[in-house]
Amino acid sequence: SQTIHQWPATLVQPVGSPLSLECTVEGTSNPNLYWYRQAAGRGLQLLFYSVGIGQISSEVPQNLSASRPQDRQFILSSKKLLLSDSGFYLCAWRRKYYRVPNYGYTFGSGTRLTVV
Amino acid sequence: AQKITQTQPGMFVQEKEAVTLDCTYDTSDQSYGLFWYKQPSSGEMIFLIYQGSYDEQNATEGRYSLNFQKARKSANLVISASQLGDSAMYFCAMREPSTGNQFYFGTGTSLTVIP
Repeated sequence: SQTIHQWPATLVQPVGSPLSLECTVEGTSNPNLYWYRQAAGRGLQLLFYSVGIGQISSEVPQNLSASRPQDRQFILSSKKLLLSDSGFYLCAWRRKYYRVPNYGYTFGSGTRLTVV
Repeated sequence: AQKITQTQPGMFVQEKEAVTLDCTYDTSDQSYGLFWYKQPSSGEMIFLIYQGSYDEQNATEGRYSLNFQKARKSANLVISASQLGDSAMYFCAMREPSTGNQFYFGTGTSLTVIP
């Protein structure tokens, strides 16, 4: 079965510090990978998605970046965090070839980031 | 225009009662998918139910059913016999092929089940 791991679960970082959130998927190959952010009391905002190694699409211009160094690894980074980067970050994966009708996302457990 | 609209920021329901969470969507695609996810306080997003645009029958998964009214572009989630563990945020989402099968999420409805 497929599983998705995301860490750390919580993170408190000072303004201006770097960030690295990691997400890995097991039990599948060549998945589509996604990073979402959820501000407090808000819906999900798509930040980045990747359809393959080294292929990153950005949905929202910001001081965050993403990388996919391996097929099942997706990393969210920042060189200098801003207060506005606080939020709940969710990694998700989805099948690339749609063999079943309900091909939705499978989400990780999320990282709660507080920038202070 | 918003792709997914959830007009109920918060809802309350008595335990064992049924509750309907509203969702309307906007797309010009003929083929699309509609999803509901549950997000408990732990933060994890849990897939609940799926409805394909060409499915003639409303989707059901246990106590969850999706009231799909295509002409009105609504996909309301019905939870029957509410339980305390149903207290969570609920998100409606749409997969739209014309935008590369992107998913669009609503802003969510916070459901509180009262004992």
